[in-house]
Amino acid sequence: DQQVKQNSPSLSVQEGRISILNCDYTNSMFDYFLWYKKYPAEGPTFLISISSIKDKNEDGRFTVFLNKSAKHLSLHIVPSQPGDSAVYFCAASWDDKIIFGKGTRLHILP
Amino acid sequence: SQTIHQWPATLVQPVGSPLSLECTVEGTSNPNLYWYRQAAGRGLQLLFYSIGIDQISSEVPQNLSASRPQDRQFILSSKKLLLSDSGFYLCAWSARRTGELFFGEGSRLTVL
Repeated sequence: DQQVKQNSPSLSVQEGRISILNCDYTNSMFDYFLWYKKYPAEGPTFLISISSIKDKNEDGRFTVFLNKSAKHLSLHIVPSQPGDSAVYFCAASWDDKIIFGKGTRLHILP
Repeated sequence: SQTIHQWPATLVQPVGSPLSLECTVEGTSNPNLYWYRQAAGRGLQLLFYSIGIDQISSEVPQNLSASRPQDRQFILSSKKLLLSDSGFYLCAWSARRTGELFFGEGSRLTVL
């Protein structure tokens, strides 16, 4: 039973354009949502988070949007840069438990 | 500053052999500790988490076990490895319930 779903295994975006990564969840008890970035053979690194009581959080080139009624969140990266090429994981936390999606591989094209 | 270390970094083990992966955190006290596994096509799967010494929660039924003998030490074990235990194991810690995790370097386990 997948509580956090990332339905796009991969995404290709031209350098300088906007990258939009999507995530859906099923558990209404989640109180924080997070995005992590991962390179091969390394641990994920935290990017940005949002509380369930908010609908938007922005940090530099990264913005996370939360739509609670649709149980959907998205990560916007603008402008996309070559160093953004990585696997992005959506995660959700509730009661000390942190659940990850399967990830989306983002390719930034020159 | 806080640091997290896990070892060994790479492990090749035969089916049926035991396993012990160790993780330690420095620079913080009473952290929440987590073990995740990244297997092909499965994303990051939560295996165990711990909110205190000897307080372990298991998320996935399997032949793995976890122990937390000290506040900043988390151990992942198995008595008999299966082929399906192969994967990239990640230890992480968190100081808050907001979900911001700090990961170790990872341990690549190959079971043959």
